[in-house]
Amino acid sequence: GQQVMQIPQYQHVQEGEDFTTYCNSSTTLSNIQWYKQRPGGHPVFLIQLVKSGEVKKQKRLTFQFGEAKKNSSLHITATQTTDVGTYFCGVNRDDKIIFGKGTRLHILP
Amino acid sequence: GAVVSQHPSRVICKSGTSVKIECRSLDFQATTMFWYRQFPKQSLMLMATSNEGSKATYEQGVEKDKFLINHASLTLSTLTVTSAHPEDSSFYICSASLPNTEAFFGQGTRLTVV
Repeated sequence: GQQVMQIPQYQHVQEGEDFTTYCNSSTTLSNIQWYKQRPGGHPVFLIQLVKSGEVKKQKRLTFQFGEAKKNSSLHITATQTTDVGTYFCGVNRDDKIIFGKGTRLHILP
Repeated sequence: GAVVSQHPSRVICKSGTSVKIECRSLDFQATTMFWYRQFPKQSLMLMATSNEGSKATYEQGVEKDKFLINHASLTLSTLTVTSAHPEDSSFYICSASLPNTEAFFGQGTRLTVV
């Protein structure tokens, strides 16, 4: 079935540094979604990308969808302690959403 | 955004007993809900798709007799962990979504079997 690979699994950054997580699929995706899960919390939807080459921004977060619609990235500029958590990408498959393994972001003060 | 409510948030039960977890979509009708299991610091593992008015569809490797799912109405799905054992201890999360849209997650249930 459709799998989505997400890297890295963990990332430690100094506060103020940038952070990027990547998701890759072997098949063309209809769309891709990004979620954030704070420690002890539940995943919360951030954004959905649909168009080839699409770039969307939410304050310090930049989301990109590859031209071939097989990969996506989430980039955080100048991380803050509030960015701590696990970031998941999710793809639709047969009316389900399949999630990547997630990237756990830890911020060093 | 849509709200999905999950209850209870935490439960501790004795080994051999059964535990029921409820998932409600509060402001939209969900013909389909999903149940996930998450181990500490790991990803969301889809367990089953709950279909209103019909049998749930289980993912490979998930025991349907162990994890009973009932979706009796368009706003309520329940997951019952039967004859729970310590290895069933985990974080269980439900979600609901409309086709090809984002998922709205419940708050999750942390199950501890002692």
